[in-house]
Amino acid sequence: ETGVTQTPRHLVMGMTNKKSLKCEQHLGHNAMYWYKQSAKKPLELMFVYNFKEQTENNSVPSRFSPECPNSSHLFLHLHTLQPEDSALYLCASSQDAGGGEKLFFGSGTQLSVL
Amino acid sequence: DAKTTQPPSMDCAEGRAANLPCNHSTISGNEYVYWYRQIHSQGPQYIIHGLKNNETNEMASLIITEDRKSSTLILPHATLRDTAVYYCIVSQAGGTSYGKLTFGQGTILTVHP
Repeated sequence: ETGVTQTPRHLVMGMTNKKSLKCEQHLGHNAMYWYKQSAKKPLELMFVYNFKEQTENNSVPSRFSPECPNSSHLFLHLHTLQPEDSALYLCASSQDAGGGEKLFFGSGTQLSVL
Repeated sequence: DAKTTQPPSMDCAEGRAANLPCNHSTISGNEYVYWYRQIHSQGPQYIIHGLKNNETNEMASLIITEDRKSSTLILPHATLRDTAVYYCIVSQAGGTSYGKLTFGQGTILTVHP
Protein backbone atom coordinates (compact mmCIF):
# COMPACT_ATOMS: atom_id res chain seq x y z
CA GLU A 1 0.00 0.00 0.00
CA THR A 2 1.60 3.24 -1.17
CA GLY A 3 -0.93 5.67 0.27
CA VAL A 4 -2.16 6.57 -3.23
CA THR A 5 -5.47 4.99 -4.23
CA GLN A 6 -6.85 4.95 -7.74
CA THR A 7 -10.34 3.98 -8.85
CA PRO A 8 -11.56 2.24 -10.83
CA ARG A 9 -8.89 -0.41 -11.26
CA HIS A 10 -10.20 -1.33 -14.72
CA LEU A 11 -12.40 0.67 -17.11
CA VAL A 12 -13.86 -0.17 -20.50
CA MET A 13 -15.52 2.65 -22.39
CA GLY A 14 -16.81 3.45 -25.83
CA MET A 15 -15.53 6.36 -27.86
CA THR A 16 -18.67 8.41 -27.16
CA ASN A 17 -18.69 7.83 -23.41
CA LYS A 18 -17.69 10.23 -20.66
CA LYS A 19 -15.92 8.77 -17.65
CA SER A 20 -13.67 9.94 -14.85
CA LEU A 21 -10.65 8.46 -13.13
CA LYS A 22 -10.15 9.23 -9.47
CA CYS A 23 -7.01 9.43 -7.39
CA GLU A 24 -6.72 10.05 -3.66
CA GLN A 25 -3.58 10.33 -1.58
CA HIS A 26 -3.35 9.98 2.20
CA LEU A 27 0.24 11.14 2.54
CA GLY A 28 -0.22 14.85 3.12
CA HIS A 29 1.56 15.64 -0.13
CA ASN A 30 1.05 18.83 -2.09
CA ALA A 31 1.91 17.73 -5.61
CA MET A 32 -0.02 15.25 -7.71
CA TYR A 33 0.56 13.87 -11.18
CA TRP A 34 -1.03 11.90 -14.01
CA TYR A 35 1.14 9.58 -16.04
CA LYS A 36 0.19 7.42 -19.02
CA GLN A 37 1.77 4.05 -19.81
CA SER A 38 0.91 2.56 -23.19
CA ALA A 39 1.79 -1.03 -24.02
CA LYS A 40 5.53 -1.47 -24.56
CA LYS A 41 6.17 2.26 -24.14
CA PRO A 42 7.80 4.21 -21.30
CA LEU A 43 5.71 6.17 -18.85
CA GLU A 44 4.72 9.61 -20.11
CA LEU A 45 4.00 12.54 -17.83
CA MET A 46 0.62 14.13 -18.61
CA PHE A 47 -0.19 16.69 -15.93
CA VAL A 48 1.34 18.12 -12.76
CA TYR A 49 -0.52 19.90 -9.97
CA ASN A 50 1.28 21.70 -7.15
CA PHE A 51 -0.85 23.11 -4.32
CA LYS A 52 -3.95 22.55 -6.50
CA GLU A 53 -2.55 24.63 -9.35
CA GLN A 54 -1.73 23.02 -12.67
CA THR A 55 1.96 23.57 -13.34
CA GLU A 56 2.48 21.22 -16.26
CA ASN A 57 0.45 20.10 -19.26
CA ASN A 58 2.62 17.93 -21.43
CA SER A 59 0.80 18.67 -24.70
CA VAL A 60 -2.08 16.42 -23.73
CA PRO A 61 -5.15 16.42 -26.05
CA SER A 62 -8.19 18.27 -24.71
CA ARG A 63 -10.22 15.04 -24.54
CA PHE A 64 -8.31 14.51 -21.28
CA SER A 65 -9.36 17.08 -18.67
CA PRO A 66 -7.74 17.03 -15.21
CA GLU A 67 -9.26 18.44 -12.05
CA CYS A 68 -7.62 18.95 -8.67
CA PRO A 69 -10.19 20.20 -6.12
CA ASN A 70 -7.72 19.89 -3.22
CA SER A 71 -4.24 18.56 -2.54
CA SER A 72 -5.55 15.10 -1.70
CA HIS A 73 -7.73 14.44 -4.74
CA LEU A 74 -7.07 14.37 -8.45
CA PHE A 75 -9.42 13.47 -11.26
CA LEU A 76 -8.96 12.80 -14.95
CA HIS A 77 -12.13 13.39 -16.94
CA LEU A 78 -12.31 11.49 -20.21
CA HIS A 79 -14.54 12.21 -23.21
CA THR A 80 -14.60 11.14 -26.86
CA LEU A 81 -11.48 9.04 -26.45
CA GLN A 82 -9.85 7.07 -29.24
CA PRO A 83 -8.79 3.40 -29.17
CA GLU A 84 -5.14 4.51 -29.09
CA ASP A 85 -5.86 6.11 -25.70
CA SER A 86 -6.10 2.63 -24.22
CA ALA A 87 -3.36 2.45 -21.61
CA LEU A 88 -2.53 2.23 -17.92
CA TYR A 89 -3.16 5.61 -16.28
CA LEU A 90 -1.09 6.19 -13.19
CA CYS A 91 -1.50 8.79 -10.49
CA ALA A 92 1.37 9.84 -8.26
CA SER A 93 2.03 12.29 -5.47
CA SER A 94 5.06 13.88 -3.86
CA GLN A 95 5.92 16.31 -1.12
CA ASP A 96 6.36 19.91 -2.10
CA ALA A 97 9.62 21.88 -1.70
CA GLY A 98 12.56 19.69 -0.82
CA GLY A 99 10.84 16.49 -1.79
CA GLY A 100 12.66 16.01 -5.00
CA GLU A 101 11.40 13.31 -7.26
CA LYS A 102 10.41 10.74 -4.65
CA LEU A 103 7.06 9.93 -6.14
CA PHE A 104 4.48 7.60 -4.70
CA PHE A 105 2.40 5.90 -7.38
CA GLY A 106 -1.01 4.31 -7.25
CA SER A 107 -1.71 0.96 -8.87
CA GLY A 108 -3.24 2.61 -11.91
CA THR A 109 -6.42 2.37 -13.93
CA GLN A 110 -6.23 0.04 -16.92
CA LEU A 111 -8.34 1.77 -19.56
CA SER A 112 -9.68 0.11 -22.69
CA VAL A 113 -11.39 2.26 -25.33
CA LEU A 114 -13.55 0.33 -27.76
CA ASP B 1 17.57 16.02 -17.94
CA ALA B 2 20.49 13.75 -18.78
CA LYS B 3 19.78 10.52 -20.63
CA THR B 4 20.45 7.10 -19.13
CA THR B 5 21.42 3.79 -20.72
CA GLN B 6 20.50 0.46 -19.15
CA PRO B 7 20.74 -3.14 -20.37
CA PRO B 8 17.33 -4.34 -21.55
CA SER B 9 17.33 -7.45 -19.40
CA MET B 10 19.25 -9.30 -16.69
CA ASP B 11 18.89 -12.56 -14.82
CA CYS B 12 19.77 -13.32 -11.24
CA ALA B 13 19.58 -16.41 -9.03
CA GLU B 14 17.45 -16.17 -5.93
CA GLY B 15 19.51 -15.31 -2.87
CA ARG B 16 22.34 -13.83 -4.88
CA ALA B 17 23.12 -10.15 -5.27
CA ALA B 18 21.62 -8.41 -8.29
CA ASN B 19 23.80 -5.64 -9.70
CA LEU B 20 22.00 -3.39 -12.16
CA PRO B 21 24.19 -0.94 -14.10
CA CYS B 22 23.26 2.45 -15.49
CA ASN B 23 25.23 4.85 -17.63
CA HIS B 24 24.55 8.59 -17.40
CA SER B 25 27.62 10.16 -18.95
CA THR B 26 25.97 13.56 -19.56
CA ILE B 27 24.81 14.04 -15.97
CA SER B 28 25.21 17.58 -14.68
CA GLY B 29 26.35 18.66 -11.24
CA ASN B 30 22.88 19.35 -9.82
CA GLU B 31 21.23 16.16 -11.08
CA TYR B 32 20.43 13.21 -8.87
CA VAL B 33 20.30 9.55 -9.83
CA TYR B 34 16.98 7.93 -8.99
CA TRP B 35 16.00 4.29 -9.15
CA TYR B 36 12.43 3.05 -9.39
CA ARG B 37 11.02 -0.37 -10.14
CA GLN B 38 7.72 -1.52 -11.57
CA ILE B 39 6.30 -4.90 -10.83
CA HIS B 40 3.86 -6.16 -13.44
CA SER B 41 0.49 -4.37 -13.44
CA GLN B 42 1.48 -2.04 -10.61
CA GLY B 43 2.67 1.54 -10.41
CA PRO B 44 6.39 2.28 -10.15
CA GLN B 45 7.93 2.11 -6.69
CA TYR B 46 10.69 4.42 -5.49
CA ILE B 47 13.82 2.53 -4.42
CA ILE B 48 16.65 4.93 -3.73
CA HIS B 49 18.37 8.06 -4.97
CA GLY B 50 21.73 9.79 -4.59
CA LEU B 51 23.82 12.72 -5.74
CA LYS B 52 27.44 11.61 -5.46
CA ASN B 53 27.86 9.58 -2.30
CA ASN B 54 26.93 5.93 -2.08
CA GLU B 55 23.56 5.37 -0.47
CA THR B 56 21.95 2.43 1.30
CA ASN B 57 18.46 1.83 2.59
CA GLU B 58 16.34 -1.14 3.52
CA MET B 59 15.71 -2.02 -0.10
CA ALA B 60 19.00 -1.54 -1.89
CA SER B 61 22.38 0.13 -2.20
CA LEU B 62 23.36 2.70 -4.80
CA ILE B 63 26.95 2.98 -5.89
CA ILE B 64 27.84 6.07 -7.93
CA THR B 65 31.23 6.32 -9.61
CA GLU B 66 33.50 9.17 -8.65
CA ASP B 67 33.01 10.91 -12.01
CA ARG B 68 29.23 10.34 -11.63
CA LYS B 69 28.97 9.02 -15.17
CA SER B 70 27.60 5.67 -14.12
CA SER B 71 25.97 3.96 -11.18
CA THR B 72 24.97 0.50 -9.96
CA LEU B 73 21.90 -0.51 -8.03
CA ILE B 74 22.57 -3.48 -5.78
CA LEU B 75 19.86 -5.74 -4.39
CA PRO B 76 21.93 -7.71 -1.87
CA HIS B 77 19.82 -10.85 -1.64
CA ALA B 78 17.40 -11.03 -4.56
CA THR B 79 14.08 -12.79 -4.10
CA LEU B 80 11.46 -13.85 -6.61
CA ARG B 81 9.43 -10.79 -5.64
CA ASP B 82 12.24 -8.58 -6.95
CA THR B 83 11.39 -9.60 -10.51
CA ALA B 84 10.42 -6.28 -12.10
CA VAL B 85 11.44 -3.54 -14.52
CA TYR B 86 14.08 -1.31 -12.95
CA TYR B 87 14.35 2.30 -14.08
CA CYS B 88 17.42 4.50 -13.65
CA ILE B 89 16.49 8.17 -13.95
CA VAL B 90 18.57 11.31 -13.78
CA SER B 91 16.78 14.46 -12.74
CA GLN B 92 17.13 17.69 -10.85
CA ALA B 93 15.53 17.65 -7.42
CA GLY B 94 12.94 20.26 -6.48
CA GLY B 95 12.56 23.60 -8.17
CA THR B 96 10.35 23.43 -11.24
CA SER B 97 11.16 19.84 -12.02
CA TYR B 98 8.56 18.22 -9.77
CA GLY B 99 7.60 14.85 -11.10
CA LYS B 100 9.28 15.44 -14.44
CA LEU B 101 10.87 12.06 -14.32
CA THR B 102 11.72 10.75 -17.76
CA PHE B 103 11.22 7.01 -17.67
CA GLY B 104 13.10 4.98 -20.27
CA GLN B 105 12.64 1.32 -21.11
CA GLY B 106 14.49 0.19 -18.00
CA THR B 107 16.04 -3.21 -17.25
CA ILE B 108 13.83 -6.25 -16.90
CA LEU B 109 15.28 -8.17 -13.96
CA THR B 110 14.21 -11.80 -13.71
CA VAL B 111 15.06 -13.61 -10.50
CA HIS B 112 15.19 -17.39 -10.91
CA PRO B 113 14.65 -20.00 -8.17
